[in-house]
Amino acid sequence: DIVMTQSPDSLAVSLGERATINCKSSQSVLYSSNNKNYLAWYQQKPGQPPKLLIYWASTRESGVPDRFSGSGSGTDFTLTISSLQAEDVAVYYCQQYYTTPSYTFGQGTKLEIK
Amino acid sequence: EVQLVETGGGLIQPGGSLRLSCAASGFTVSSNYMSWVRQAPGKGLEWVSVIYSGGSTYYADSVKGRFTISRDNSKNTVYLQMNRLRAEDTAVYYCAREGLGCSGGGCYVPLWGQGTLVTVSS
Repeated sequence: DIVMTQSPDSLAVSLGERATINCKSSQSVLYSSNNKNYLAWYQQKPGQPPKLLIYWASTRESGVPDRFSGSGSGTDFTLTISSLQAEDVAVYYCQQYYTTPSYTFGQGTKLEIK
Repeated sequence: EVQLVETGGGLIQPGGSLRLSCAASGFTVSSNYMSWVRQAPGKGLEWVSVIYSGGSTYYADSVKGRFTISRDNSKNTVYLQMNRLRAEDTAVYYCAREGLGCSGGGCYVPLWGQGTLVTVSS
């Protein structure tokens, strides 16, 4: 299985400041035939299911604010929130879907307001 | 409206059985890859099982031989039959629909149900 490791485990950022979450995969999730990174980011608020934010490492899901962006390739990826809002407090997960039929998630990063 | 609604969770003794249901609306389950993902209390997300549009089924090693995924096309519903339950199966179980149009590997998951809690305890 591909192991996904996120850093940090928790993060406190002031409102309006930038938040950066990292995700590293134990092997590349870049599919050579289509040059796509099989990497997604999710946001999960308490008592709610995960919500898809980013897929193909950098494509924003419809309706997701443009302060959320994804970057990276191969084994190293980043989720950036450019200007933290109060409603962004949540746990964030990265997911690799390179392997099939199963996929794996990172352990999660808890984002709080400083 | 496109949505998934899970039912069937509850408190069950170790060794017992439970069947979860996932009723879909707004789309056809038989045309999609439908998964179950679970989340133990205070923990992360773990893929459990998938049923492909063609009917193939796959399981995580942790549940293989104990859980069975199936679907009823007439009811547009996906099921997870869970047998020989263990304490470590305690979790919120989410039904999920994988994205469409992915090629090569797997796909991201744009649609999730609200989840149903399964508690295995004596």
